[in-house]
Amino acid sequence: EVQLVESGGGLVKPGGSLRLACAASGFTFSRYTMNWVRQAPGKGLEWVSSISFSSTDIDYADSVKGRFTISRDDAKNSVYLQMSSLTVEDTALYYCARDSGSYTDFDFWGQGTLVTVSS
Amino acid sequence: DIQMTQSPSSLSASVGDRVTITCRASQRISSYLNWFRQKPGKAPKLLIYAASNLQSGVPSRFSGGGSGTDFTLTISNLQPEDFAMYYCQQSYSSPYTFGQGTRLEI
Repeated sequence: EVQLVESGGGLVKPGGSLRLACAASGFTFSRYTMNWVRQAPGKGLEWVSSISFSSTDIDYADSVKGRFTISRDDAKNSVYLQMSSLTVEDTALYYCARDSGSYTDFDFWGQGTLVTVSS
Repeated sequence: DIQMTQSPSSLSASVGDRVTITCRASQRISSYLNWFRQKPGKAPKLLIYAASNLQSGVPSRFSGGGSGTDFTLTISNLQPEDFAMYYCQQSYSSPYTFGQGTRLEI
């Protein structure tokens, strides 16, 4: 059974940093592109970042470019999102999602980890 | 960036009804269009990928259509668990933008 479990969320002050992690199981992690998608409270979905297998292709939404860094550790079946220079607009539930590999469709999602940026 | 516009923003229906949600892209995206359902407090679930392909395990009452810029999600014989938010997403090019969502209510 495919499982994605996010962790690392919490309350952080504006300008602060946080590192999110997503632990994967139930599939050959190293073969898949992984993504982070966020959802601000009561709002819609926003794709944040993606990292391909072997980390050869990395991409970011303009809203986080230069502030967030995605990485992966295939030995630990995990993907990470290092977030810095956080603003209140980054407050959201952050989901980890697997790209099925065919049409960049996100076929499995974790339950999310909440990041709250507030003074 | 490719803008995705869903209509309607909200929709009222009853169990057993058939409903259709539309999604329009600001430029042509071939068939790179996916549909998700999100129940309250839960993660999104993939229903349809590549415009018309039913994701494994998803009931056949869900169907998708369209190509280019205009797409539809049709749900037949609505069930209680279908009253939720629905999002389209383009996977043609980064950033992989979502529609604003359609709330399906009883």
